[in-house]
Amino acid sequence: GQNIDQPTEMTATEGAIVQINCTYQTSGFNGLFWYQQHAGEAPTFLSYNVLDGLEEKGRFSSFLSRSKGYSYLLLKELQMKDSASYLCAVRDWFSGGYNKLIFGAGTRLAVHP
Amino acid sequence: DSGVTQTPKHLITATGQRVTLRCSPRSGDLSVYWYQQSLDQGLQFLIQYYNGEERAKGNILERFSAQQFPDLHSELNLSSLELGDSALYFCASSVDLDNEQFFGPGTRLTVL
Repeated sequence: GQNIDQPTEMTATEGAIVQINCTYQTSGFNGLFWYQQHAGEAPTFLSYNVLDGLEEKGRFSSFLSRSKGYSYLLLKELQMKDSASYLCAVRDWFSGGYNKLIFGAGTRLAVHP
Repeated sequence: DSGVTQTPKHLITATGQRVTLRCSPRSGDLSVYWYQQSLDQGLQFLIQYYNGEERAKGNILERFSAQQFPDLHSELNLSSLELGDSALYFCASSVDLDNEQFFGPGTRLTVL
């Protein structure tokens, strides 16, 4: 089966750096996505990793280690608007020839002044 | 704005009723996905269509069904509604089967 774990809640201070971890167990790993979701709104795509290493995109970076089943999302220079849920999602390849995106429960990040 | 549209935005109905949610994917996207998000369960994958054909099924109840039409828009039909079906229903689309998904604004369904 599949399992994705993320912390439920985190808090951080405006201007600081925060790291949100995600560990996963899947049978047919085929990529990992991070999405941001503000309350009551649609998830929006942040990053994608399929190979090991760090992907940087402005204030956001995402890291993947496939051997450890581990990823993190790094947010720098935090702003109040970064207060949101961050969803880790793993693309899992199934026999029958299709992918499914499995979402973690999300990490609610609160940024304080 | 992701380019994915969903109607209606809000839907309030009674138990036992049937509703239809509609989704139009981004221009050029062939793949459509449906997700359910309730407070206690996170984002749950329901079903995926690609160019009119069903490609993958998740935790979709037998009371629920979906289809993708030749113009690529999709509809999710929910029948014999129960209180527990109250949730946000998101549609997402992607260019093909493996690319990032873009989410619509969602339909908030309330079953009373």
